[in-house]
Amino acid sequence: EVQLLESGGGLVQPGGSLRLSCAASGFTFSSYVMSWVRQAPGKGLTWVSSIGNAGASTYYADSMKGRFTISRDNSKNTLYLQMNSLRAEDTAVYFCARGGFYTAFDYWGQGSLVTVSS
Amino acid sequence: EIVLTQSPATLSLSPGERATLSCRASQSVSSYLAWYQQKPGQAPRLLIYDAFNRATGIPARFSGSGSGTDFTLTISSLEPEDFAVYYCQQRSNWPRTFGQGTKVEIK
Repeated sequence: EVQLLESGGGLVQPGGSLRLSCAASGFTFSSYVMSWVRQAPGKGLTWVSSIGNAGASTYYADSMKGRFTISRDNSKNTLYLQMNSLRAEDTAVYFCARGGFYTAFDYWGQGSLVTVSS
Repeated sequence: EIVLTQSPATLSLSPGERATLSCRASQSVSSYLAWYQQKPGQAPRLLIYDAFNRATGIPARFSGSGSGTDFTLTISSLEPEDFAVYYCQQRSNWPRTFGQGTKVEIK
């Protein structure tokens, strides 16, 4: 069974940093593209970033470029999102999802809430 | 950036009725369009990929159609568990984009 489990969310002050993790199991992690998608409270879904299976290719939404960094450790079956210079508008539930380059997002984690507030 | 516009914003229907949801792209996305269902407090679930392919475990009452710029998700006969928000999403271009969602509510 495919499982994705996010962690690392919480309350952070504007301008602060946070790193999200997504632990994957039930599939060969190193063979799949992975992505982050977020959802602000009461709003729709917004794609954040995607990374190729080997980690060499990465893509970002414009509003996150230069502030967020996606990475992965295939030896640990874990996806990461390093978020710097956080703003109030980054407040959202962050989902990790499998896929994003050549496929739809076929499996999703339950999400991790990030709240940016003073 | 490809903008996806979903209509209607809200669809009020009764169980057993047919639901027809629309997604229009600002430029062609070929067949690279997916549909997701999201219930309150839950993660989205993939229903349809590449315009008309049902994802694993998705009931046959869900079907997708369209290509280019106009797409439709049809639920042939609404079950109580189908009342939710539905999103379309394209993977033709970067950035990947989602529609704003259609809420299917009980009439």
